[in-house]
Amino acid sequence: AQSVTQLDSQVPVFEEAPVELRCNYSSSVSVYLFWYVQYPNQGLQLLLKYLSGSTLVESINGFEAEFNKSQTSFHLRKPSVHISDTAEYFCAVRKYGGSQGNLIFGKGTKLSVKP
Amino acid sequence: EAGVTQSPTHLIKTRGQQATLRCSPISGHTSVYWYQQALGLGLQFLLWYDEGEERNRGNFPPRFSGRQFPNYSSELNVNALELEDSALYLCASSLGIVMNTEAFFGQGTRLTVV
Repeated sequence: AQSVTQLDSQVPVFEEAPVELRCNYSSSVSVYLFWYVQYPNQGLQLLLKYLSGSTLVESINGFEAEFNKSQTSFHLRKPSVHISDTAEYFCAVRKYGGSQGNLIFGKGTKLSVKP
Repeated sequence: EAGVTQSPTHLIKTRGQQATLRCSPISGHTSVYWYQQALGLGLQFLLWYDEGEERNRGNFPPRFSGRQFPNYSSELNVNALELEDSALYLCASSLGIVMNTEAFFGQGTRLTVV
């Protein structure tokens, strides 16, 4: 079975500082990897995804994540955060093929950006 | 194009009652997923339906059940409500059993059991 660990439950940073939200996964099979963001009182929105190919993936709002197979990690980074990035971020995995195609989520990391 | 829609947005029930939550997927999506987001527990997978059939089920008791209708909309039923069932219930949809597609989420139904 797959599992996801987000090592930090809360990450406070100042505006314009860099940030890294950590995600490690455990799986005996190949997986697809995702980062979702949840703004207060809203549902989840897909931020970025790794399916295959280049191990570095980017979102339209400046976030990036790198798939590291040897370390089973998919950390999310942004070189300079804005107040509007304050949200909860969820890392998720999905198994290649088979019947268990549902997403497995980590427990989330609350990013708090302070002025 | 409309996204995933869930109703109601808020639901208040008393312990022991039944709750019914509804989800309409994005047009063309045949897979519907249900997740429970309880305080401090993250997102817990509940159920996955595709083409009207239950494809997978999370580690929840049988009083959590659901179904998917011919138009791919879905219903989640929670019987014999307990206080611990209070949570945000999120529905997501995707393009069926195509493993490399992401899931799109609705805004959720906030269930409060008193």
